[in-house]
Amino acid sequence: DVKVTQSSRYLVKRTGEKVFLECVQDMDHENMFWYRQDPGLGLRLIYFSYDVKMKEKGDIPEGYSVSREKKERFSLILESASTNQTSMYLCASRQETTQYFGPGTRLTVL
Amino acid sequence: GQSLEQPSEVTAVEGAIVQINCTYQTSGFYGLSWYQQHDGGAPTFLSYNGLDGLEETGRFSSFLSRSDSYGYLLLQELQMKDSASYFCAVNNGANNLFFGTGTRLTVIP
Repeated sequence: DVKVTQSSRYLVKRTGEKVFLECVQDMDHENMFWYRQDPGLGLRLIYFSYDVKMKEKGDIPEGYSVSREKKERFSLILESASTNQTSMYLCASRQETTQYFGPGTRLTVL
Repeated sequence: GQSLEQPSEVTAVEGAIVQINCTYQTSGFYGLSWYQQHDGGAPTFLSYNGLDGLEETGRFSSFLSRSDSYGYLLLQELQMKDSASYFCAVNNGANNLFFGTGTRLTVIP
């Protein structure tokens, strides 16, 4: 079974802090994704990566950056957290036409 | 721009059949996927249609009409555990999926 893990289920940070969200997949997938999910807005793509050290902006990249130093790990970085970044963050990896999601990190920025 | 439209909420009775529609407008199209998400859980893959027609997987079926930019998910013999949110998503060829806003299905006894 494909397994995608995220470093935290719940995270509380203060405005202005630098936040790291980590995602690891164990199936050697080349493609990995970061989404945020908000009520009524569905899943919105922040960034994705199709190979180590490669990244592409998604639909809402502002305020975020990513890092992919190893194939299995894809990190999302909030350089200076703001209250409007309070959300559920979902990581996924992809094999062919199927995306496999991690359990999500619910981030609250105070 | 890109858009996917699906109903926000659907309610159906246990044992019945329900259809969740999805219409899309995207810059590119390679296929339509469906994902299920229970409250507090992660989205999980249900089905994929790359070609027109019906794909069946147990109680779930998915249909695509590329000429109509339309697809649907059909759930038969509804069970209480089918209460969840269902998302359609378009593979637009840009190496990622574009998701709809989701349909919350409530199954009642």
